[in-house]
Parts: sequence; structure tokens; C-alpha cells
Amino acid sequence: EPEVTQTPSHQVTQMGQEVILRCVPISNHLYFYWYRQILGQKVEFLVSFYNNEISEKSEIFDDQFSVERPDGSNFTLKIRSTKLEDSAMYFCASSGQSLTTTDTQYFGPGTRLTVL
Amino acid sequence: AQSVTQLDSHVSVSEGTPVLLRCNYSSSYSPSLFWYVQHPNKGLQLLLKYTSAATLVKGINGFEAEFKKSETSFHLTKPSAHMSDAAEYFCVVSDWMDTGRRALTFGSGTRLQVQP
Repeated sequence: EPEVTQTPSHQVTQMGQEVILRCVPISNHLYFYWYRQILGQKVEFLVSFYNNEISEKSEIFDDQFSVERPDGSNFTLKIRSTKLEDSAMYFCASSGQSLTTTDTQYFGPGTRLTVL
Repeated sequence: AQSVTQLDSHVSVSEGTPVLLRCNYSSSYSPSLFWYVQHPNKGLQLLLKYTSAATLVKGINGFEAEFKKSETSFHLTKPSAHMSDAAEYFCVVSDWMDTGRRALTFGSGTRLQVQP
């Protein structure tokens, strides 16, 4: 069964450093998403991406964040200058269509980012 | 604005006994509702979804949920718990935002423990 994969599973970085989180969505999907979950808090939407551009983003997704689909398979989330409060589990998801009534998002296992 | 409340952060049951995980939602329009499960070090796996068809929805692994509009609830049940059901469960609502797009809102999660 096709699945979304994410690398690395755990990333430790120093405050102020740049990190890139990588995701490989399901191959025939067209819509891609990033979510994060700070420890003990709810899963929060960050951004959705379609046709090589951002289609929706939340207030969390500020200028420190960027997303890219550098090739036909990878989908990346970059944080330019990490802050302590960026420490969280980051989930990638993909769906075949836009978020319609019947569409379903398929999630990866997450990357745990720890900022020291 | 939409919201999701999972009424129990932890539920503990004995193997072979029924499972009930409670979820209430608020939504401005006609929502779609999902239950996802997350096993340790795994991604969020879709258990079932409600999309305005039958109000009783059957999912994988013997789980089902009933959409009750009058009670704004979407509780998850299973007649007989299995040890492998131990995981974190998330109730999720998909609803129209003011931007004209749909978005997912997650509940805070319920950790299910299954005792032998």
C-alpha cells in the first residue's frame, strides 16, 4: 500500500540554524500539506501546496518557513533560522484531490525537530 | 469557526471489553469528520470518515462511529478491544473556512490503553 514517508525521523539543531525536513508524498497525489504538533498540544495546519505554489497557509507559517517541491517526488519544509519554539513533531500529508467533502489526507510518520 | 473537543485525554480498557472514545465538534457548515489513529513511531492512519452519507460509519479494524448532528458528536466505538488497539486517536473535522477553502482541525487526541 502506498504511503507517505518522511526523513529524518528525528532532527536536532542549534537555535538559529536552518533545517530542511523532507517528505515523499504518495506518487499520484497532487496536494501536499505540512502540519506540526508541539508536545502536549494539538496538531496544527501549516501550509498546503498545489501546482508548485502555496494554496493556503496559516498564521504560523511566517517568513521563516518555506516549502518546495524540488523534483517530482520530494516535498520539503525549510525553517531558515530555527527558534526554541519550533521544536515540535512535523507531519507531511498528501491527497489526490483538493480538500473536498470526500477527500482524505494521508499522513507520514512525522519528523521530531528539537531546537537547542 | 470550527473546533473539535475530545472529551478524554486517556482511556483505559481491558482486552475484550468495549471501547468508547468521545468527540464533539462545532462547525458553521456541513462538515466532514474523520478519525485517525497513531501508533508509536507511525504516521496518522485513517480509521474512518463521515461525508454526509450514512450516519453510522464503519472503519478498519472493527471500529465504527456515529454522526449525531443534534448532539454535534462523532464518537468512536469498538465492541471488543484488542491489545493492538493501544494508540493515540485523533478526531478531525474538515470544514469550509472564510477563505473559501476547506481545512482540517484536529482534536487534542485520546490515548487508548488496553490492559491484558
